[in-house]
Amino acid sequence: DAKTTQPNSMESNEEEPVHLPCNHSTISGTDYIHWYRQLPSQGPEYVIHGLTSNVNNRMASLAIAEDRKSSTLILHRATLRDAAVYYCILRDHYNQGGKLIFGQGTELSVKP
Amino acid sequence: NAGVTQTPKFRVLKTGQSMTLLCAQDMNHEYMYWYRQDPGMGLRLIHYSVGEGTTAKGEVPDGYNVSRLKKQNFLLGLESAAPSQTSVYFCASRSGGANEDTQYFGPGTRLTVL
Repeated sequence: DAKTTQPNSMESNEEEPVHLPCNHSTISGTDYIHWYRQLPSQGPEYVIHGLTSNVNNRMASLAIAEDRKSSTLILHRATLRDAAVYYCILRDHYNQGGKLIFGQGTELSVKP
Repeated sequence: NAGVTQTPKFRVLKTGQSMTLLCAQDMNHEYMYWYRQDPGMGLRLIHYSVGEGTTAKGEVPDGYNVSRLKKQNFLLGLESAAPSQTSVYFCASRSGGANEDTQYFGPGTRLTVL
């Protein structure tokens, strides 16, 4: 599975937008870009995923570079409840079993 | 729907003891997974199952066994616990449908091996 690179930590102010970057220069054509987040003392939860086009859902937006070598998770208005570790994960569509390979993620802190 | 539940929530073992962690899901999902998470690290896949009666090894399978006798349950066993197995264990499930790729995680089991 191709590897992703994320900053270890980021800081944001409450009610401001947050852009969480992810580099994946060795991404293959069949890799989907997934984002999960893990709130303190909880299991991870799904945020969003995409292949080529930008994606929006009620939680966030995913902006994918045209060459697919990087992507950005966008939280439009950060709240204190968004403080979590955010994981950017590549998953091969043909990956038997649908396994997720987690890196260390980006720890997002949100200041009031 | 309870989603994914894990039993127990906490456990302390002595080296050499055995135990079984239970994961249950009520979403009729085909795929189930066991991960472990050590402090400050991301999750690592131990074993997974693509359907009832099947199991497969993940990244870090040594020292663990699993069984999926019923579709809704995925059991993780430690036959002879070691301090290196002190960790938080997360179970997850996934539908397996063509357009359904989301994994749903349980709340975790915190295991300490003395």
